Amino acid sequence: QKEVEQDPGPLSVPEGAIVSLNCTYSNSAFQYFMWYRQYSRKGPELLMYTYSSGNKEDGRFTAQVDKSSKYISLFIRDSQPSDSATYLCAMSASGATNKLIFGTGTLLAVQP
Amino acid sequence: DTAVSQTPKYLVTQMGNDKSIKCEQNLGHDTMYWYKQDSKKFLKIMFSYNNKELIINETVPNRFSPKSPDKAHLNLHINSLELGDSAVYFCASRGGWGTRETQYFGPGTRLLVL
Repeated sequence: QKEVEQDPGPLSVPEGAIVSLNCTYSNSAFQYFMWYRQYSRKGPELLMYTYSSGNKEDGRFTAQVDKSSKYISLFIRDSQPSDSATYLCAMSASGATNKLIFGTGTLLAVQP
Repeated sequence: DTAVSQTPKYLVTQMGNDKSIKCEQNLGHDTMYWYKQDSKKFLKIMFSYNNKELIINETVPNRFSPKSPDKAHLNLHINSLELGDSAVYFCASRGGWGTRETQYFGPGTRLLVL
């Protein structure tokens, strides 16, 4: 069993929809939780960064962490075709600096 | 200017060959990484260097040897290439502070072993 599980999708939604992406994990030592976005043939780029449990909002993006359930989510409001990408959750026990463990990524397609 | 750059972008080679991938970052960061992303998009850390010193060495065949001539460069040499080495290899460097600490990824090197 992988330390981090993520539904690979693909997920296809119409423009303007609310998208929910999720990851579960097994290591209770994880404290730092990130979402990366990866466009086709590009490197991953950091989208959201959360420490411990709680919510964090940045524009159309909201990250939620529930450490008691070992479950993290990324919500995208008013999704746009430019949001079409692979979304990777990542987490670590000691900050983004060291040994990030990634999920397998969810491929999202937003249809215009 | 590209923050993290890798060369080459594409590499097609035969089994048994030896090849190198180069990475350079102009962000002034001390810590750099190599990751391998397989065909299912699974991204796994291989190595990490901090100021030219190896700090993470995951379970990677010893055919893979990283080298950091200075803190702005981290190269990856692969001996006796195998079919299973085909993947995208990403270099990354670590920067920022506190909750904005992050790893900045390069564009990737697509390696195909025939």
